[in-house]
Amino acid sequence: KNQVEQSPQSLIILEGKNCTLQCNYTVSPFSNLRWYKQDTGRGPVSLTIMTFSENTKSNGRYTATLDADTKQSSLHITASQLSDSASYICVVRDENDMRFGAGTRLTVKP
Amino acid sequence: DGGITQSPKYLFRKEGQNVTLSCEQNLNHDAMYWYRQDPGQGLRLIYYSQIVNDFQKGDIAEGYSVSREKKESFPLTVTSAQKNPTAFYLCASSWGRRSNQPQHFGDGTRLSIL
Repeated sequence: KNQVEQSPQSLIILEGKNCTLQCNYTVSPFSNLRWYKQDTGRGPVSLTIMTFSENTKSNGRYTATLDADTKQSSLHITASQLSDSASYICVVRDENDMRFGAGTRLTVKP
Repeated sequence: DGGITQSPKYLFRKEGQNVTLSCEQNLNHDAMYWYRQDPGQGLRLIYYSQIVNDFQKGDIAEGYSVSREKKESFPLTVTSAQKNPTAFYLCASSWGRRSNQPQHFGDGTRLSIL
């Protein structure tokens, strides 16, 4: 069983709407959690990193949250744009390794 | 601009053939990685290298080989022993394997079977 589970697998929203992507993990011991954005046919690009002591962090229209007690993180996208269409990948690091979620495929339609 | 470059963008392999994917970085990073990405699955680590002339197997190393003769370069060979090579291959680099700094990824090579 994958140690990092993301939901939903895919999501379609209209331009201008908000959405929230979920990441649940069982990785232990926890070091940090990072969200990446991957455009089609490109490599992933880091959006934000969450450490154990951080609950919320924003990067423009992207806001990540972390609940280390329940081992859950979310990525909230505000006022979506067509350029937000991409896969969003949650990556959790323990002491030695990184574990990748399968990603959520977001499509923003005009 | 500093970055990581993968080539070619698309690659086709014939039965029984070995193919080599190129990965070059000019970020002066010590660590480099190769991942395989399949639909519906998270990235899986094939090989990684933390220093020149040294590399370690990842989770799915069988059927693959690498070399690290220069800090900037980390080519991946997909051998004929890899029976299901069709996938999107991503190369990445970072300051260190245990660093909290993000990995920087190339734009991938898509490998298909003829």
